[in-house]
Amino acid sequence: EAQVTQNPRYLITVTGKKLTVTCSQNMNHEYMSWYRQDPGLGLRQIYYSMNVEVTDKGDVPEGYKVSRKEKRNFPLILESPSPNQTSLYFCASSPRTGDETQYFGPGTRLLVL
Amino acid sequence: QKEVEQNSGPLSVPEGAIASLNCTYSDRGSQSFFWYRQYSGKSPELIMFIYSNGDKEDGRFTAQLNKASQYVSLLIRDSQPSDSATYLCAVEGSARQLTFGSGTQLTVLP
Repeated sequence: EAQVTQNPRYLITVTGKKLTVTCSQNMNHEYMSWYRQDPGLGLRQIYYSMNVEVTDKGDVPEGYKVSRKEKRNFPLILESPSPNQTSLYFCASSPRTGDETQYFGPGTRLLVL
Repeated sequence: QKEVEQNSGPLSVPEGAIASLNCTYSDRGSQSFFWYRQYSGKSPELIMFIYSNGDKEDGRFTAQLNKASQYVSLLIRDSQPSDSATYLCAVEGSARQLTFGSGTQLTVLP
């Protein structure tokens, strides 16, 4: 089954404790992306990657890091989480070109105390 | 900064009616437009995409695009309670980035 998976689905942590949210896709997609969703603000892009070892900032990259060492994986790293990073996070993937749009993972709900 | 604006709603329509959702965008060079549906606590799922001016129909859904007015809309005919969700308009940038509107919450009343 074609899918995007994220782990963990729910996470409660404390300010300053480094965490990683994993994202994996099994569709051989070149393009992967991270979004955060906050009430009233919609989905905002954090980082995206056009292919392995190619990453770029989205609209709200501050406080986040990403890496793309393998095509299927695109982890999101919060080196020192703060309460304003409490949000619902979605990973998405798509082919680099063509008509297919982005497939979204199930989401990770993060609470930073 | 590219912007995508939607009426935040909430929008309520009776079952069987037509729901009309609207979206405007700021980047005149945008070429690809998408409508996603998102149920509470779930991930967005694609409803429609449209690239050309005019109407595009898929079942009960019709997307309308007017690039001159920088306007995209989604019509849902014969609305059902199961259509109750938040509808997100998205515009694709040059590097496949999607810029989303804040969403319109639709409630279809039985």
